Amino acid sequence: QSVLTQPPSVSAAPGQKVTISCSGSSSNIGNNYVSWYQQVPGTAPKFLIYENNKRPSGIPDRFSGSKSGTSATLGITGLQTGDEADYYCGTWDSSLSAGVFGGGTRLTVL
Amino acid sequence: QVQLVESGGGVVQPGTSLTLSCAASGFTFSGHDMHWVRQAPGKGLDWVAVVSYDESNKSYASSVKGRFTISRGTSKNTLYLQMNSLRAEDTAVYYCAKHYGSGNYGYYYFGMDVWGQGTTVTVSS
Repeated sequence: QSVLTQPPSVSAAPGQKVTISCSGSSSNIGNNYVSWYQQVPGTAPKFLIYENNKRPSGIPDRFSGSKSGTSATLGITGLQTGDEADYYCGTWDSSLSAGVFGGGTRLTVL
Repeated sequence: QVQLVESGGGVVQPGTSLTLSCAASGFTFSGHDMHWVRQAPGKGLDWVAVVSYDESNKSYASSVKGRFTISRGTSKNTLYLQMNSLRAEDTAVYYCAKHYGSGNYGYYYFGMDVWGQGTTVTVSS
C-alpha cells in the first residue's frame, strides 16, 4: 500500500489529453514539492516534473504538473504512442522523514 | 555527460550482506544530495535512502532502517549502499539517483533528475 495514491491505469487516444492524479496528505504532498517520473518497462525512470509544475530542459510542454492541497496532477496533451509508460509521483513525507512514491499509473495510448 | 553507473548487485542468501556502488561522473558529485531507489519485480518505485551533499544528513525508509547504510566517497565520486541482514523482500533493481539541484535544498524539494541503469539484487536461498 503506497503512501501516495494513483490510479492503476489510464488510457486515451492519440492526440487526446489525459490527467493522472496523485493523492496524499498534509505530511507529504500538502507541505512538500511533488515530482513526476516516466518509466518505460525495463528502463530507468525519467524526470518529468519538479517543484510541482516545473519542467526540466528537454521535456516538452505537452507535459504539465499542478498541485492543490494534498493532491497533485500530471497532465499530458497531444498524446503520442511513445508516451505509453508507467508514471510515478513522488514527494517527501515530513512525518516519516522519508521519500515516498505513488504506486504508479500505466498509460495506454489506444 | 552526466552519468551514474551502479554495480555490486548479485544473488545472495538471506541474512547475508552486500554493498552496492554508484560511480558518478560529469557533475560536481559533492554538490548534490544522492538517493537510492529500488523496484521489486513487477512493482513500483520504492524509495530507500538519501544522503545530503555534505554527508551531514541521512534518511532511510522504515523497511531498511538499521539494516542499510548509505554513504558517499567524495574523493572517488562514488555513492554506496551497504546492505546487511538481507531479506527476500529486498529483491529488486536498485537505482542510484541525483538530486536536481546543488547545495542545501532540503529534502522537501524532492526530485531526482539523473538515474543510473540499475543493478539487480536477488535474495534467495
